Amino acid sequence: DTEVTQTPKHLVMGMTNKKSLKCEQHMGHRAMYWYKQKAKKPPELMFVYSYEKLSINESVPSRFSPECPNSSLLNLHLHALQPEDSALYLCASSQWGGAGYTFGSGTRLTVV
Amino acid sequence: GENVEQHPSTLSVQEGDSAVIKCTYSDSASNYFPWYKQELGKRPQLIIDIRSNVGEKKDQRIAVTLNKTAKHFSLHITETQPEDSAVYFCAASTGNEKLTFGTGTRLTIIP
Repeated sequence: DTEVTQTPKHLVMGMTNKKSLKCEQHMGHRAMYWYKQKAKKPPELMFVYSYEKLSINESVPSRFSPECPNSSLLNLHLHALQPEDSALYLCASSQWGGAGYTFGSGTRLTVV
Repeated sequence: GENVEQHPSTLSVQEGDSAVIKCTYSDSASNYFPWYKQELGKRPQLIIDIRSNVGEKKDQRIAVTLNKTAKHFSLHITETQPEDSAVYFCAASTGNEKLTFGTGTRLTIIP
């Protein structure tokens, strides 16, 4: 299995909703990431988990809350989002040191 | 922190011609340089990467060159085809997990 699987593919949520994005990989990668990508822009790093511990938080607002239940799973919990948070949310994984960086197909999030 | 500049932002080439995209980086400790292709509405996909101990790497019609002294690296696509049309991103890393992306190049292949 050489894929990173993300669910759901599309999500529409209100500003008072709570939702979660899910990401799964079975490549034995020990680093997992969340990125946010706005249209016509490069991916922007949000969080990095190394060996199931949060190693990088790029000053992301607390309405985004990551969770790494085990080495194969990564979640992003969403609460009280704003319309400007609408974007493509990409999960990625890699081996230690960044080799084999693989992106999931993303969740297109719309906040209404 | 690392800063990656990418040029040009848009590039149109005739089918069959070559395309070159250039990136410069600021952190001399960077040692891993991947290139990603992203088609509309899809995920970025790794197409080729190079490490700092190598000057050039080739995979069929795609090649990447690295000049560590000048801190720049380039993507070369030969014999371009319509399916090469996409946005291409370069990136750089110091070997930790953080990738810094360039701003992207929208490549259009004209049939």
